[in-house]
Amino acid sequence: GQNIDQPTEMTATEGAIVQINCTYQTSGFNGLFWYQQHAGEAPTFLSYNVLDGLEEKGRFSSFLSRSKGYSYLLLKELQMKDSASYLCAVRDRGNQGGKLIFGQGTELSVKP
Amino acid sequence: DAGVTQSPTHLIKTRGQQVTLRCSPISGHKSVSWYQQVLGQGPQFIFQYYEKEERGRGNFPDRFSARQFPNYSSELNVNALLLGDSALYLCASSPMQETQYFGPGTRLLVL
Repeated sequence: GQNIDQPTEMTATEGAIVQINCTYQTSGFNGLFWYQQHAGEAPTFLSYNVLDGLEEKGRFSSFLSRSKGYSYLLLKELQMKDSASYLCAVRDRGNQGGKLIFGQGTELSVKP
Repeated sequence: DAGVTQSPTHLIKTRGQQVTLRCSPISGHKSVSWYQQVLGQGPQFIFQYYEKEERGRGNFPDRFSARQFPNYSSELNVNALLLGDSALYLCASSPMQETQYFGPGTRLLVL
């Protein structure tokens, strides 16, 4: 079956670093995506990993280990505006198209 | 550059009615995917279209249908609405197997 797990909620302090983990079990794998979604808004693309290792993009970094079925999103120098839901999604190679399988999302609260 | 656009932004329907949601992809993107997101959950894949052909279908009943037009815009139709169809419907466009970019969504409420 297809399963993507991530913590439901996390809380962190402004200026700190937070790591959001994601584990997945899918029939195929053709890349892992992280999206940010503010309440009432559409998901916005943050990062993409298809090979093992770390991808860095400003304050955001994402890591992938395909052998472990594991990824994390690292947010540095947290700002209040980073309070949002963070969605982990896997693209299933078994599908010819671009089907994304999403986790339930991690609700991050950044406090002063 | 214009992003993905969707219409309408909000919609209220009653049980048993039919609804049509519309999506215009980013210019140059030929693939459109539809997702349903209920409150507190991640988006669930409904359909993907590429070059006007269905390339993938999620685990949704036949009441859900979609199509893509020659200009790559797309419509999602839902017949015989149920209360459980109340959700945010998201459209995403991509140049096929690349990153999907989401539109603002249509929030559907079924009473």
